[in-house]
Amino acid sequence: DAKTTQPTSMDCAEGRAANLPCNHSTISGNEYVYWYRQIHSQGPQYIIHGLKNNETNEMASLIITEDRKSSTLILPHATLRDTAVYYCIVRGYNFNKFYFGSGTKLNVKP
Amino acid sequence: SAVISQKPSRDICQRGTSLTIQCQVDSQVTMMFWYRQQPGQSLTLIATANQGSEATYESGFVIDKFPISRPNLTFSTLTVSNMSPEDSSIYLCSVDIPSSEKLFFGSGTQLSVL
Repeated sequence: DAKTTQPTSMDCAEGRAANLPCNHSTISGNEYVYWYRQIHSQGPQYIIHGLKNNETNEMASLIITEDRKSSTLILPHATLRDTAVYYCIVRGYNFNKFYFGSGTKLNVKP
Repeated sequence: SAVISQKPSRDICQRGTSLTIQCQVDSQVTMMFWYRQQPGQSLTLIATANQGSEATYESGFVIDKFPISRPNLTFSTLTVSNMSPEDSSIYLCSVDIPSSEKLFFGSGTQLSVL
């Protein structure tokens, strides 16, 4: 599975949009981009995933560049409860395993 | 989705002893995985728990240290054997729901080894 690169940490003001970038320059055509987050030491929580097209759900939006070498997770109106570590993961369609990178610590501040 | 119950939620153990962690899912699943999260670190995949056959271990993890059982499609155990303080971590069970294309996680077991 392709390797991902994320910034170590980011700050965001409460109520503003949080844009979390992820580089996956070695991604192949059948690999999906997944985003999970982990609050404190709880089990990771699924946020969103996509292949080529941009995706949106009740939690977030996922923007994937046309060449698929990078993506951005957007939390439209960050709250203090969104403070967490966010993981970007590339996963092959036929492979069930998820390998976690180092993630981005998002700090949402009042 | 899936409801995953992990037991115990936390434990404090003496070095040299073993601890068995249980993972129960509320529905039958094909794939179950075990992860380790050392303090301040990301998650590391330990192994895939295969129903009816031996687990598949990732590089750096061996069966003698982390024996895994998977007697049926809803249950698995991970044993941390001959523990040392370096084994102090959170251990997480996860399951793959193919119809949802997602991986779901239990709440984890916080292990401290003295």
